[in-house]
Amino acid sequence: AQTVTQSQPEMSVQEAETVTLSCTYDTSENNYYLFWYKQPPSRQMILVIRQEAYKQQNATENRFSVNFQKAAKSFSLKISDSQLGDTAMYFCAFIVAQGAQKLVFGQGTRLTINP
Amino acid sequence: GAVVSQHPSWVICKSGTSVKIECRSLDFQATTMFWYRQFPKQSLMLMATSNEGSKATYEQGVEKDKFLINHASLTLSTLTVTSAHPEDSSFYICSVMSRTGITDTQYFGPGTRLTVL
Repeated sequence: AQTVTQSQPEMSVQEAETVTLSCTYDTSENNYYLFWYKQPPSRQMILVIRQEAYKQQNATENRFSVNFQKAAKSFSLKISDSQLGDTAMYFCAFIVAQGAQKLVFGQGTRLTINP
Repeated sequence: GAVVSQHPSWVICKSGTSVKIECRSLDFQATTMFWYRQFPKQSLMLMATSNEGSKATYEQGVEKDKFLINHASLTLSTLTVTSAHPEDSSFYICSVMSRTGITDTQYFGPGTRLTVL
């Protein structure tokens, strides 16, 4: 069975700082996808970034980037120049490619950006 | 990404009544939709996979007779909470699976807050 672990329940940084959220996962599969979703106070789940396991290059979306270490089964999210609007719950998630299409979520990290 | 709507956004009902929640895929045809439940300050828990034209697949521990799922068309799935009780109060979220390139990605609706009195 696949599992996703986020070891930081809460984090807090000042606006404009850089913050890294940790995520590790466990799977015996070789072909899979990883995601970071953001859930702001509105509770709408928003896709932040995704990574295909077969790609060695780390995904980047504007201020958001990942550090994907396949051998270590690690998938951290870096937020640069953090903004107040980045305050949210962040969930790391995993899905097996061409499998049952079930997303496996981590427990979440509550990130607060302080002015 | 896909655009997903849910209706209603919140609902309050009396114990023993049934409540229907709609999930619509607005910009593409979704053969598969998913229903999640989320308790406060917790992660999402998958309840069931909704397949268009066939029966839903429920996760272990989810009562299929209590949480009725109907995927009547490629753009609509409904979740009916039957004989609701206060312990069914929760935040219910649906999602659709969209293939972008070769990546399967789930896009989520805005959620429905159910309160059972």
